[in-house]
Amino acid sequence: DQQVKQNSPSLSVQEGRISILNCDYTNSMFDYFLWYKKYPAEGPTFLISISSIKDKNEDGRFTVFLNKSAKHLSLHIVPSQPGDSAVYFCAAMGMRFGAGTRLTVKP
Amino acid sequence: DAGVIQSPRHEVTEMGQEVTLRCKPISGHNSLFWYRQTMMRGLELLIYFNNNVPIDDSGMPEDRFSAKMPNASFSTLKIQPSEPRDSAVYFCASSQGNGYTFGSGTRLTVV
Repeated sequence: DQQVKQNSPSLSVQEGRISILNCDYTNSMFDYFLWYKKYPAEGPTFLISISSIKDKNEDGRFTVFLNKSAKHLSLHIVPSQPGDSAVYFCAAMGMRFGAGTRLTVKP
Repeated sequence: DAGVIQSPRHEVTEMGQEVTLRCKPISGHNSLFWYRQTMMRGLELLIYFNNNVPIDDSGMPEDRFSAKMPNASFSTLKIQPSEPRDSAVYFCASSQGNGYTFGSGTRLTVV
């Protein structure tokens, strides 16, 4: 039972452009969401979070948007850099993870 | 702090053997989580502990899997007997509040 879904397994963008990673969830009780970035052979590292009392949280180049009515959140990276190339996981309540989206930023 | 420490980093074992994965959480963190990462399902929560007590083990796939946390600084995930389909990367994470810190993972290969 996948309560958190990331339907795009991969995304490729050009350096300097915007990357948009999407995440959907099914449980309306979820009220806290996190995004993690993972490089090969390393554990996931925390990137940014958002509480359900907000609809937007910004940290530098990273912004997370939450649409509670649609049970949807997205991570925007602007501008994208080659070093952002990694797998990005969306997590609800810190425990339920999506399958991940592999982002490739081309120079 | 050295972060969450997992051992071994790599484990290759034969089908039917017992495998034990180990985790040392960050000191002061009161929650510990075991995850399994596969290509098909991403990161799956297997079990989590709060103050050394197992809270939710509904993600443990079968009775072959067991986890213990005898004290606040150590946890084990055991698979007995191991099967080739158990091959994956297993992550441990610890938390104090909403932030989670992951270990580097153990890559398990069962042949």
